[in-house]
Amino acid sequence: EPEVTQTPSHQVTQMGQEVILRCVPISNHLYFYWYRQILGQKVEFLVSFYNNEISEKSEIFDDQFSVERPDGSNFTLKIRSTKLEDSAMYFCASSDRFNTGELFFGEGSRLTVL
Amino acid sequence: GENVEQHPSTLSVQEGDSAVIKCTYSDSASNYFPWYKQELGKGPQLIIDIRSNVGEKKDQRIAVTLNKTAKHFSLHITETQPEDSAVYFCAASPISGGYNKLIFGAGTRLAVHP
Repeated sequence: EPEVTQTPSHQVTQMGQEVILRCVPISNHLYFYWYRQILGQKVEFLVSFYNNEISEKSEIFDDQFSVERPDGSNFTLKIRSTKLEDSAMYFCASSDRFNTGELFFGEGSRLTVL
Repeated sequence: GENVEQHPSTLSVQEGDSAVIKCTYSDSASNYFPWYKQELGKGPQLIIDIRSNVGEKKDQRIAVTLNKTAKHFSLHITETQPEDSAVYFCAASPISGGYNKLIFGAGTRLAVHP
């Protein structure tokens, strides 16, 4: 069964460092999303991406965050200068162009900022 | 924007009992209501979903009901088993042509005791 894959599974970084989280969405999907889950809290929407541009973003997704689809398969989330409060599990998700509704989530990338 | 409230935050049942989790939403434009199961260290997995033109949907031991007038929907798990132990999230969104920005509830930690 097709799945969304994410790397790395866990990254530890120092405050102020840049981090790039990578995702390979399901191949025929056209909509891509990043969600964040701080430990023990709800899954929060960060940003959605379609047709090579951001379609929607939340107030969490400030200027420190950016997304990119550098080639036909990868979808990346970059945090330019990490803060302690960026420590969380980051989930990538994708959906297809039909109105089925299902979001397929990856296993997540755990980011720890020290 | 959409806001989803979920109750209870924790639920403990004996194996074989039923479990009910309830959610309310605020945006009348929402038309898609999925339930996700999240096991420790993994991404959310869709277990059942319902659309606004349907009042109830059942899949083996799992059922979901939707009351559009009251803006609430519920997950029912019958004959619970220890492997049902996980965190369950409800979500809501207005789907449009495949684009699906889910807003999640805070989650319910379900523990099924043998």
